[in-house]
Amino acid sequence: GQQVMQIPQYQHVQEGEDFTTYCNSSTTLSNIQWYKQRPGGHPVFLIQLVKSGEVKKQKRLTFQFGEAKKNSSLHITATQTTDVGTYFCAAGGSNYKLTFGKGTLLTVNP
Amino acid sequence: DTGVSQNPRHKITKRGQNVTFRCDPISEHNRLYWYRQTLGQGPEFLTYFQNEAQLEKSRLLSDRFSAERPKGSFSTLEIQRTEQGDSAMYLCASSRTTGGAWEQYFGPGTRLTVT
Repeated sequence: GQQVMQIPQYQHVQEGEDFTTYCNSSTTLSNIQWYKQRPGGHPVFLIQLVKSGEVKKQKRLTFQFGEAKKNSSLHITATQTTDVGTYFCAAGGSNYKLTFGKGTLLTVNP
Repeated sequence: DTGVSQNPRHKITKRGQNVTFRCDPISEHNRLYWYRQTLGQGPEFLTYFQNEAQLEKSRLLSDRFSAERPKGSFSTLEIQRTEQGDSAMYLCASSRTTGGAWEQYFGPGTRLTVT
């Protein structure tokens, strides 16, 4: 089945520093979604990427889908304490089910 | 939009007992998913409904697990003869079929502890 690997597993930054998490697959992905899960919360949808080389921005967040559609990244500029949480990539497959990576836990030191 | 709701939020049960969880999706969403999440892991797909039809079930799901969505609205997930390894957060999500982005909306989850 489909698998996505995410790195790093953990990232601790000082407030104001940038943060990037990477998602990789051995197979070509039809699409990829990103979710954020706050501590004690549930996953919340951030974005969906479908096209090869696609780049989407949401304020300080930039999402990229690789040209080969086998990798994706999420970059946060100038982190804030409100960015704390686990960021998951999820590969979209048949029946629209999602295969999630293990996530990157981001902690921010104020 | 009242969001996806799940009940109960927490369930503690003894090994060998049966438990049932309920999920109420967003009303206009016809797709409903169940996932299981353990500490430090991403949600793991369990099963999926489109309306009342169960279209896919994970091969990892044992026969002790069963899910229903009798009228295409709410869904139940039952675990029979619970084992300690079933302890996890059980998440329900729903999505619609129309539109280009089919993001899933997750409920707050039911945390199961098997003692």
